[in-house]
Amino acid sequence: GENVEQHPSTLSVQEGDSAVIKCTYSDSASNYFPWYKQELGKGPQLIIDIRSNVGEKKDQRIAVTLNKTAKHFSLHITETQPEDSAVYFCAASKNSNYQLIWGAGTKLIIKP
Amino acid sequence: DSGVTQTPKHLITATGQRVTLRCSPRSGDLSVYWYQQSLDQGLQFLIQYYNGEERAKGNILERFSAQQFPDLHSELNLSSLELGDSALYFCASSTGQAHSPLHFGNGTRLTVT
Repeated sequence: GENVEQHPSTLSVQEGDSAVIKCTYSDSASNYFPWYKQELGKGPQLIIDIRSNVGEKKDQRIAVTLNKTAKHFSLHITETQPEDSAVYFCAASKNSNYQLIWGAGTKLIIKP
Repeated sequence: DSGVTQTPKHLITATGQRVTLRCSPRSGDLSVYWYQQSLDQGLQFLIQYYNGEERAKGNILERFSAQQFPDLHSELNLSSLELGDSALYFCASSTGQAHSPLHFGNGTRLTVT
């Protein structure tokens, strides 16, 4: 079945530096790729998503890139701030069932 | 605030017992999802309902059951509880349309002693 692998499991970066989290999916029919951020004590929240007809999408300091040939997509956070510290989840879904297949999560730590 | 309400926030119970977790979806959303998140683990999809009907089932144990009521709120019932059932249980809601975003509640933390 569909599988989404997410790396790294933990990422520690200096405040102000950039962070990149990568996900690889197995089902070539996947066409929707959201990213969710989970802050401590809260549920995940959608921060950005991308569809397969687009290669890149930006929203202020965050961006997502998609490489359909290689079947991977990445989350880029620039000029990291303390409030970026959280667990980030990637996911993938396709039109046949719209079910999200989740990555295992990345704990992002921003060092002051 | 996601608009999704989960109660209770915390629940402590003993092995072998049965509990009910409740979720009120965001206004206008027809679909409800239940997820389990163990300590430092990812999100395990349990089950999805759409407008009262079961739409998809994930890794939900036979000891667990759920339903969505006519007013669209949902309940997750966990029975014959084991120590390993201790986890965060999240409810999420969406419109149920293709690739619509999920809105998560803040979860119910279940501790089985």
